[in-house]
Amino acid sequence: NAGVTQTPKFRVLKTGQSMTLLCAQDMNHEYMYWYRQDPGMGLRLIHYSVGEGTTAKGEVPDGYNVSRLKKQNFLLGLESAAPSQTSVYFCASSSDSHALLNEQFFGPGTRLTVL
Amino acid sequence: AQSVSQHNHHVILSEAASLELGCNYSYGGTVNLFWYVQYPGQHLQLLLKYFSGDPLVKGIKGFEAEFIKSKFSFNLRKPSVQWSDTAEYFCAVTPNTGGFKTIFGAGTRLFVKA
Repeated sequence: NAGVTQTPKFRVLKTGQSMTLLCAQDMNHEYMYWYRQDPGMGLRLIHYSVGEGTTAKGEVPDGYNVSRLKKQNFLLGLESAAPSQTSVYFCASSSDSHALLNEQFFGPGTRLTVL
Repeated sequence: AQSVSQHNHHVILSEAASLELGCNYSYGGTVNLFWYVQYPGQHLQLLLKYFSGDPLVKGIKGFEAEFIKSKFSFNLRKPSVQWSDTAEYFCAVTPNTGGFKTIFGAGTRLFVKA
């Protein structure tokens, strides 16, 4: 099992450009999440999904959109990148199994720089 | 608003020293508690978790944490740290309301001197 994978690993954008980050998980997890990690601020939830075809806003959703067309994939889009979106982005997934409830499995991260 | 506070942002220890990282949360109901670790250049991984039962939880690599409900705390401990424990440690809390959103603390960077 690959677990949670993210592409790309690194990306540099110019202000105003758009891009999509892809997250894939092979654990058949229902729940998926996108976080951003900034120094001194821990992980902040951007958007999340409780199942295929559903998404919801997290703590810092502005400037981002997401889609979950397939259960195993969760896409994060930046329509018009801004320097404030320079960050490391982590995708995570978790099971709806009670035994594993709330334990999240993380991807390796995407380091995004917006110039 | 619910929040998680980690008391120390940076900790420097020598090998074999004892470690205790503080974590407090603000939520009055039942919670699930986690410590995650992020080694340099790697992604976050679970260190240990508490759902119910014995408030002293043992995790991987000799780490343990104690849940003190009256203090809303879940401090991480290790009796003797190693250079390989150099990492960033995140405390996380999920209110047990049937939901699944987890709130992370800001993290504590631990550097262990060899």
